[in-house]
Parts: sequence; structure tokens; C-alpha cells
Amino acid sequence: NAGVTQTPKFQVLKTGQSMTLQCAQDMNHNSMYWYRQDPGMGLRLIYYSASEGTTDKGEVPNGYNVSRLNKREFSLRLESAAPSQTSVYFCASTSGDGLNQPQHFGDGTRLSIL
Amino acid sequence: DAKTTQPPSMDCAEGRAANLPCNHSTISGNEYVYWYRQIHSQGPQYIIHGLKNNETNEMASLIITEDRKSSTLILPHATLRDTAVYYCIVRSGSSNTGKLIFGQGTTLQVKP
Repeated sequence: NAGVTQTPKFQVLKTGQSMTLQCAQDMNHNSMYWYRQDPGMGLRLIYYSASEGTTDKGEVPNGYNVSRLNKREFSLRLESAAPSQTSVYFCASTSGDGLNQPQHFGDGTRLSIL
Repeated sequence: DAKTTQPPSMDCAEGRAANLPCNHSTISGNEYVYWYRQIHSQGPQYIIHGLKNNETNEMASLIITEDRKSSTLILPHATLRDTAVYYCIVRSGSSNTGKLIFGQGTTLQVKP
């Protein structure tokens, strides 16, 4: 009963490097989300995908791109990493558009950019 | 989405009920109240949600006042493993993003 799986769990990058964070869910959910969490702050939405084949910007999309590869997988890419992108990244999914359905989260990817 | 107000921190004795309050005075009629918690920077864990009626599941109970301007999350028998940051979130039924807006939450410390 995996739920939402994120890889990798930890990563250290140098400024300017690129990287893709992977997220997969096995609950047959339609909607998927990427959040970031900085120290002492709540989660902020980066991008979301309401359904397979669609993606939309959230509150803090600058510096990121996403791909909804199929219904199960939603990846987040940093094309040119910056120290300001040091954060913990969480992926979430929900069955519908989330109005009366809870989002389920992965355990996060801890990313440090030097 | 309506804004929520929670106390920054609370203590609770192990084995006792933990009652976590949340004010959401600007809530609209189609907005749901959700509760999540986050333990040791793990991913947020869904606890419970409701619209108007009180709700109970295996983890907790949610009491929503009749005017819906506030709610209380009740953990009936708190354990040390319930130490976490608890987030009260109000989600609009008209939103099509499905996103959750997290505030600062309440840090609950369960003490032996």
C-alpha cells in the first residue's frame, strides 16, 4: 500500500545544475500537486495537474517545469537550480478535484542547492 | 479560501484528550474544514474533514460550531506519537485547483 512515492528522498545540487523530482501514485487519482515547504512556513503550491494531460501554475511556479507523464506520474524539473530553491518538496494526489476529497502526500524530497 | 487562525502551540498530557481549536470566521457556506498534521517534517497526513456536521473517524473527531465560524479537532487519547504540527485548512467548494492553503498551524506537544 505505497500511496504517493517520491524519489529521491535527498539530493544536493550545485547552482546551475538541473534535476527532475519524480512522483508516482498508485491510488488511480486524477489530480496531482507539487508543493514546497521552507523552514517555519506552510506548504506553497508550485504546480498542479487536475487530470492527465493538463498542468497549471500554482503560487510559486518560477524556475520550475512539470510533466504529467501519465495518470500515475507527475514530475517536477529544475532546469537551472538556484540556492533559493533549497527546500523540501512534497507531491500530493487526490481522486477528484479535491473539493470533498482529501489530498494524500508523499514523504518529500529534501533538496539542497549550494 | 477563508483564512484560519490557530494558537501557535499547545501542550497535552499523554492519555488525555487533545482539543485543538481553529477560528474561520469568514468561512462561506460551500467551504470545507480540513485538518492535516505533519510529524518531523514528514509529508502532511490527512486527519479528517467536514462541511457542517460533526465528523468522527479512527483518528479523531471534528466538531464544527453551528455558525461554522470555528471548529475543534479532538484527539481522544493523545499519545507521544501525536506530537506534531496540526493544520486547520478551509477549502472553497468553488475552487477548481484543489489546492490546500497551509497556515502556520498549531504545534502540539504531548508530554508523558
